[in-house]
Amino acid sequence: DGGITQSPKYLFRKEGQNVTLSCEQNLNHDAMYWYRQDPGQGLRLIYYSQIVNDFQKGDIAEGYSVSREKKESFPLTVTSAQKNPTAFYLCASRGDLSEAFFGQGTRLTVV
Amino acid sequence: QQQVKQSPQSLIVQKGGISIINCAYENTAFDYFPWYQQFPGKGPALLIAIRPDVSEKKEGRFTISFNKSAKQFSLHIMDSQPGDSATYFCAASMRGSEKLVFGKGTKLTVNP
Repeated sequence: DGGITQSPKYLFRKEGQNVTLSCEQNLNHDAMYWYRQDPGQGLRLIYYSQIVNDFQKGDIAEGYSVSREKKESFPLTVTSAQKNPTAFYLCASRGDLSEAFFGQGTRLTVV
Repeated sequence: QQQVKQSPQSLIVQKGGISIINCAYENTAFDYFPWYQQFPGKGPALLIAIRPDVSEKKEGRFTISFNKSAKQFSLHIMDSQPGDSATYFCAASMRGSEKLVFGKGTKLTVNP
């Protein structure tokens, strides 16, 4: 099945800890995205990547980092500098037809 | 310039009624306007999309109306069903940019 796989589905982070969220796609899409979703805030863009080894900051990049070493993979690291990381994180990819496909999300909670 | 403003924030309709969600934008360079549907705990999925060369697009019970001069577009759900209860997001992007800008979402509840 073609699609986007995010893991884990639930993640718990201790104060001061870095955590990495995984996103893998087998749609052969060039563009990949990370969004953060909070109640009433919609989808806010954290980072996006148009090609391998290149990525751009979105609207709320502070406290996050990404890498794009392979076309299929776009992991997101939530660093200890992100003071309010509890949220629902969504990864997406997009091909030439403009439709963006989303993963099922990772819910991150600080404990 | 990069914002898409969506209203209302929440909407309650009766089964069989019409649900209408509106979005407005400022950037006239936007040329792709999709609507996404999201169920609780799931990722959004594309519902229907339109480009500014047409004023309306219909797929089943879902219709996008697009008003280029007013820089507005709306989603109409005809014969709304309880299974349509979800959060709906409008979005916009422009040619040459991979950024997809989302509205803040509308939580639709369809009562049986």
